[in-house]
Amino acid sequence: AQSVSQHNHHVILSEAASLELGCNYSYGGTVNLFWYVQYPGQHLQLLLKYFSGDPLVKGIKGFEAEFIKSKFSFNLRKPSVQWSDTAEYFCAVNAQGAGSYQLTFGKGTKLSVIP
Amino acid sequence: DTEVTQTPKHLVMGMTNKKSLKCEQHMGHRAMYWYKQKAKKPPELMFVYSYEKLSINESVPSRFSPECPNSSLLNLHLHALQPEDSALYLCASSQDRGAYQPQHFGDGTRLSIL
Repeated sequence: AQSVSQHNHHVILSEAASLELGCNYSYGGTVNLFWYVQYPGQHLQLLLKYFSGDPLVKGIKGFEAEFIKSKFSFNLRKPSVQWSDTAEYFCAVNAQGAGSYQLTFGKGTKLSVIP
Repeated sequence: DTEVTQTPKHLVMGMTNKKSLKCEQHMGHRAMYWYKQKAKKPPELMFVYSYEKLSINESVPSRFSPECPNSSLLNLHLHALQPEDSALYLCASSQDRGAYQPQHFGDGTRLSIL
């Protein structure tokens, strides 16, 4: 079974600071990787996804993530955060192949951006 | 706005009540999901429907009973719930059950059991 670790529980940044949120997964096979964002009082929204190809993936709102297979990592980055980026960020993984419906989420990282 | 609509947004019920949560999507998706999310925790999968048939039940207690009347609707019937069942219940859908289909989530129903 796959599992996902997000090491930062709460990150506090000032506006214009750079962001990197860590995500590591454990699974022996090929995986698809996702980052979801949940703004306060809103639904989970897909930020970006990686299936194959270029390991540097660009998503919405200026976010990007890099898949490093050797490190089992899929870290989320943004060069300059805004107050409106305040939200909970979830990394998620599903395995390609049998049981591939299973979307496993990390515990989430709460991002607070101070104006 | 989300393309997955959940009603009601909030529900308070006693332990002896029977209620239902509803989920609707009109994206033509053939896979639909129920998740439970406790405060400050990630969503946990409960049920998966694929082409209107129950594919997966993640060992959910029988006091939760899912139903998929058609390809656009997913219900979750609740009966004799416990206080620990208080949580945000999320519905999601994807084009099909495959790994390459991102899941689209609704706003959720916040359920409180008295």
